This record gives sequence, structure tokens and C-alpha cells, in this order.
Amino acid sequence: GEDVEQSLFLSVREGDSSVINCTYTDSSSTYLYWYKQEPGAGLQLLTYIFSNMDMKQDQRLTVLLNKKDKHLSLRIADTQTGDSAIYFCAERYGGATNKLIFGTGTLLAVQP
Amino acid sequence: DAGVTQSPTHLIKTRGQQVTLRCSPKSGHDTVSWYQQALGQGPQFIFQYYEEEERQRGNFPDRFSGHQFPNYSSELNVNALLLGDSALYLCASSKPNNEQFFGPGTRLTVL
Repeated sequence: GEDVEQSLFLSVREGDSSVINCTYTDSSSTYLYWYKQEPGAGLQLLTYIFSNMDMKQDQRLTVLLNKKDKHLSLRIADTQTGDSAIYFCAERYGGATNKLIFGTGTLLAVQP
Repeated sequence: DAGVTQSPTHLIKTRGQQVTLRCSPKSGHDTVSWYQQALGQGPQFIFQYYEEEERQRGNFPDRFSGHQFPNYSSELNVNALLLGDSALYLCASSKPNNEQFFGPGTRLTVL
């Protein structure tokens, strides 16, 4: 089945680290993505990880992938108020296209 | 280099009407995907176009149809609108099997 799950809400203080978690179901997924959506806007691709990797670091962002448990996480170091947004994880569904299956999104609120 | 563009930004229709949404892909991209994002939800895949043909379709009724033009731009058509079709419609472009870049979306309200 196609199902990607995320916790709904996370609140952190400015300067702390944020960790957003995601579980997915399709073991044949080749890539897993993190997108950011600010109010009233489209989706901004933040980072992605190939399914044969365990970790990817990109400046303040660290992605961890546990394929055995089908668990993906996004860590944002030194979280800023500008990081406040909804974060979606998405898996590229196995098959001929690069169709994406999205989670329900995690609202990250950064308190000054 | 312009990113993915969509028009219009907002649209209000009444039940039973028909609507056409438009998308221009990022330069160099030839694949266009459409997603529907209901309020408080993640985007749901509608369909994908490549080489002017529908390549894959999500779980949406035939009221949702599309088209891709030779310049790779695309249209999404929805017939016989229902209240439940109110959503943000997102277009994403890519090269085949590469990461997708999203446009700002069209907010459709059905009254």
C-alpha cells in the first residue's frame, strides 16, 4: 500500500535542533525527499536521499534513513524562525514514473 | 531561469462548472506532474505527462483530465466540479525520473 506517516506538530526554541520523523511503506522506493511549504506557497525541495544511503548532510540539514524500519528523519541544526513551515516527506514510488507519495506534513513552529 | 509557473493563482467556480489550470515547466524539463493538495493534507498525485501522453494516473475520477503541449507546458481540466474539488493544485516538472520541482500552485475554490 501507499502510506507515508508523519507527526503533525513540532515546537522548538530558536537555536535548538529540530527532528522531524517519517515512516513509509514502499520498500521499493528509490529516493526519499523532504519538501518545505510556507503559508500560501508551493513546495520547496530541501534535500533527498537515495535508498542505499544511511545518512546525508547538507549544511544545517541531516537526513537519516533506516531502511529496515522504513523510517526517515530530518534534523535541522540551529533552527531559526525562518524555518517555521510545514515539512513533507515523500517517497518516490517504485515503477515507471517518478510519482511521489507524500506524508500529511509536520508543522514546525519555532519560538523566538 | 524561470522556475515552474502556474496560472491562474486563484480561481472561484461554482458546482457543476468546468475549470482549466495551466502550467509551464522549468527550462530543460519535459515531464509534468499534477497534484491536488486539500487543506491540511499532503499533495496527492493526479497524473503525469511525458511526450504529450499521460504516463501514469493516480486515484482520481475521469472528470480530471490533462494535456501536454509540444513545448512541454500542460493543462489540467476538471469537469462537473464538486465542493470537494476545492484545493491547491500543484504542478511539478522534472527531467524523466529526476527530482520534481513544484510551482506555486493554483488555489481553486468551488462554491
